[in-house]
Amino acid sequence: DGGITQSPKYLFRKEGQNVTLSCEQNLNHDAMYWYRQDPGQGLRLIYYSQIVNDFQKGDIAEGYSVSREKKESFPLTVTSAQKNPTAFYLCASSPGLAGMYEQFFGPGTRLTVL
Amino acid sequence: ILNVEQSPQSLHVQEGDSTNFTCSFPSSNFYALHWYRWETAKSPEALFVMTLNGDEKKKGRISATLNTKEGYSYLYIKGSQPEDSATYLCASYSGGYQKVTFGTGTKLQVIP
Repeated sequence: DGGITQSPKYLFRKEGQNVTLSCEQNLNHDAMYWYRQDPGQGLRLIYYSQIVNDFQKGDIAEGYSVSREKKESFPLTVTSAQKNPTAFYLCASSPGLAGMYEQFFGPGTRLTVL
Repeated sequence: ILNVEQSPQSLHVQEGDSTNFTCSFPSSNFYALHWYRWETAKSPEALFVMTLNGDEKKKGRISATLNTKEGYSYLYIKGSQPEDSATYLCASYSGGYQKVTFGTGTKLQVIP
């Protein structure tokens, strides 16, 4: 079955450590996205990528980094520079540019900083 | 950053009742509006992608309308069922802005 997988489901990190969240899709989609959800807020865009080897900052990119070396994969690294990393992280993909195409979402990763 | 607002924040209805929610978005430079359903412990799923003023879309008992001139969209659920219980998200896309901005959602609980 085609879809998006994220791992791990739950992640715990000590302050000062970098951590990488995995996102893989087998939908053959060009565009991929990372969102963050905090209580009482809408999904906020961290980074997005329209094609391999290219990505753009979203609204809240500070303290995060990404790579897009393969079409199927778009990992997100939460660095120690991110001041408040505890949140729920969602990865998504779409066939083309956001807006004209619906987005397909993964199950999410809940990150807790101890 | 676009300001997308949804109301009400939460809603409880009896099984069989019809209901509707509102999504308000900036009308300038509008490009597209998305509706998603997000059930607990699952991933958000797309319901509709709407682009034209006056668009009406329907999927089973769920339908949506779009008014791009005044910047709002309504989502209607006819004869609500317990399986309709979810958070309904809307997201607005502005032309020249390469991304979608989400509202905070309307949480619907259908009571059997």
